[in-house]
Amino acid sequence: EDQVTQSPEALRLQEGESSSLNCSYTVSGLRGLFWYRQDPGKGPEFLFTLYSAGEEKEKERLKATLTKKESFLHITAPKPEDSATYLCAVQRFYFSGNTGKLIFGQGTTLQVKP
Amino acid sequence: DAGVIQSPRHEVTEMGQEVTLRCKPISGHDYLFWYRQTMMRGLELLIYFNNNVPIDDSGMPEDRFSAKMPNASFSTLKIQPSEPRDSAVYFCASSREKGQPQHFGDGTRLSIL
Repeated sequence: EDQVTQSPEALRLQEGESSSLNCSYTVSGLRGLFWYRQDPGKGPEFLFTLYSAGEEKEKERLKATLTKKESFLHITAPKPEDSATYLCAVQRFYFSGNTGKLIFGQGTTLQVKP
Repeated sequence: DAGVIQSPRHEVTEMGQEVTLRCKPISGHDYLFWYRQTMMRGLELLIYFNNNVPIDDSGMPEDRFSAKMPNASFSTLKIQPSEPRDSAVYFCASSREKGQPQHFGDGTRLSIL
């Protein structure tokens, strides 16, 4: 069964204190892994898509990496405005019987204190 | 471009009432998704459409839930009759193609008393 596990559930950092969020997955035939950011009262906002092991994507203070079993979201010198819940999701290759829907992890809630 | 638009933002109703949630996807997006988010189960896909046709409804919890997409710019999710356990945030999302990132609306917070 496809499964996505994110850790830690919650993370509190001081402004400027770098850290990483983990997304472990088990899926048959990974087509893509997606990272989203969700602010309270809002819908998830797309950040990155990673397709193959070794791939990296960057956006401002965020960098996402992918291995065959997990993905990391590295946050460098975070600011209070980076506080949010970060969700990862996996998508399998689609074929007969598999429609390629996204399977989300439970998320990591990040709080960055000034 | 306007994002995904959902209405209402909040809905409070009594058990047994019919609830209709509405969604306008981003123009030009061929895929539309309905999700439900709860603390216990996280974000779960209920159903998705491609070119207005339902493709995967395996996440629809039971017959009380139904979804329609009468045209490319409008979809509804209906619950009849509603129950307290249906209380959740319901999101609509759309994407240009199946493998492309999904763009979410800000959701409808539904409370069934």
